[in-house]
Amino acid sequence: GIQVEQSPPDLILQEGANSTLRCNFSDSVNNLQWFHQNPWGQLINLFYIPSGTKQNGRLSATTVATERYSLLYISSSQTTDSGVYFCAPYLGSSNTGKLIFGQGTTLQVKP
Amino acid sequence: DAGITQSPRHKVTETGTPVTLRCHQTENHRYMYWYRQDPGHGLRLIHYSYGVKDTDKGEVSDGYSVSRSKTEDFLLTLESATSSQTSVYFCAIRGLHGELFFGEGSRLTVL
Repeated sequence: GIQVEQSPPDLILQEGANSTLRCNFSDSVNNLQWFHQNPWGQLINLFYIPSGTKQNGRLSATTVATERYSLLYISSSQTTDSGVYFCAPYLGSSNTGKLIFGQGTTLQVKP
Repeated sequence: DAGITQSPRHKVTETGTPVTLRCHQTENHRYMYWYRQDPGHGLRLIHYSYGVKDTDKGEVSDGYSVSRSKTEDFLLTLESATSSQTSVYFCAIRGLHGELFFGEGSRLTVL
């Protein structure tokens, strides 16, 4: 089955720094989501991005489906950005909701 | 907020007992999903539903059954709980554009 690799596995930033998280996947996908799991365990939908670039405030994401990777950019990081960031491509049709989750990048932002 | 409520949020039970987790949504979404999250495995799809009384298996369905008798409720049942089913269970709905939104999770401990 499809393999999803996220890097780096762990990241520590000083507040205000920028970062790039990467997601590589082993097979072609129709769509992909990025999630943030906060320290309380809530899964927050960040982006639904099959290709191209999307921006939402300090966060942006780029997916290059033909090269099988996606990037998540976090600018001017804040302590509330701490948590685990998951990349999750869709396997097969989006209707099945079968997301394949990577292992995540654990981000800690220090004040 | 996608209008998803999971109950109970926390449950401790003993091996061999039946357990039912409930997912309730208020926005008439057709597709609903149950995932489990375990350390080292990320999130994995258990079952999903594409309408009332229409369900299908996901990646890790053994030991679980589901029912959907009305649009707003999707129930996950463990007929005879085992320690390997200790996990955090997330319900999700499919939004208007195809993306998944997750509930707050239900933490189940099987002793």
